[in-house]
Amino acid sequence: GEDVEQSLFLSVREGDSSVINCTYTDSSSTYLYWYKQEPGAGLQLLTYIFSNMDMKQDQRLTVLLNKKDKHLSLRIADTQTGDSAIYFCAEWSGAAGNKLTFGGGTRVLVKP
Amino acid sequence: DTGVSQDPRHKITKRGQNVTFRCDPISEHNRLYWYRQTLGQGPEFLTYFQNEAQLEKSRLLSDRFSAERPKGSFSTLEIQRTEQGDSAMYLCASQAVVPGEQYFGPGTRLTVT
Repeated sequence: GEDVEQSLFLSVREGDSSVINCTYTDSSSTYLYWYKQEPGAGLQLLTYIFSNMDMKQDQRLTVLLNKKDKHLSLRIADTQTGDSAIYFCAEWSGAAGNKLTFGGGTRVLVKP
Repeated sequence: DTGVSQDPRHKITKRGQNVTFRCDPISEHNRLYWYRQTLGQGPEFLTYFQNEAQLEKSRLLSDRFSAERPKGSFSTLEIQRTEQGDSAMYLCASQAVVPGEQYFGPGTRLTVT
């Protein structure tokens, strides 16, 4: 079956880079996603990467994918206090059903 | 605002009561999903629709849960005889292209007392 794992917590100083890591098990995953959730809110789609790509950059966000190790990371450059939130990675696999499978989320706290 | 909307945003109900939630997807998105999120966890898939057809249901969706999307636009999720374990955030998402971007609504937070 599919399983997505994330570390629970990350603390970072304002202005530094944040790196959030994720591992997944389903080798047939076609797309991998990063979502942001602020308290009491729904999920905001940040970015996603197709499984045949190694890297995707979108403004302050850089996604790295190591398909061999099934490892995904999200780097946030110049982290701001507004980046404090829970970040979820998710995999899409048509083979495992047409749905997203989410990790448990990484809580990012940005300190001034 | 052309995003996904959900109503109500919060619902408090007593155990044993029935509740119904509504989701309005982004216009022309033919895929609509329901997820459930409990405190400290990631969202878990419940069910999805392709237009008006319900194509997949998770084993999390017990017989007390039913979802509809009668005209292929908005969807409703009903929970009958609510239990305390049903307390969670219920999230709706819509998608135009498969696979592709899946956009979430703000959620309905259910509290069963």
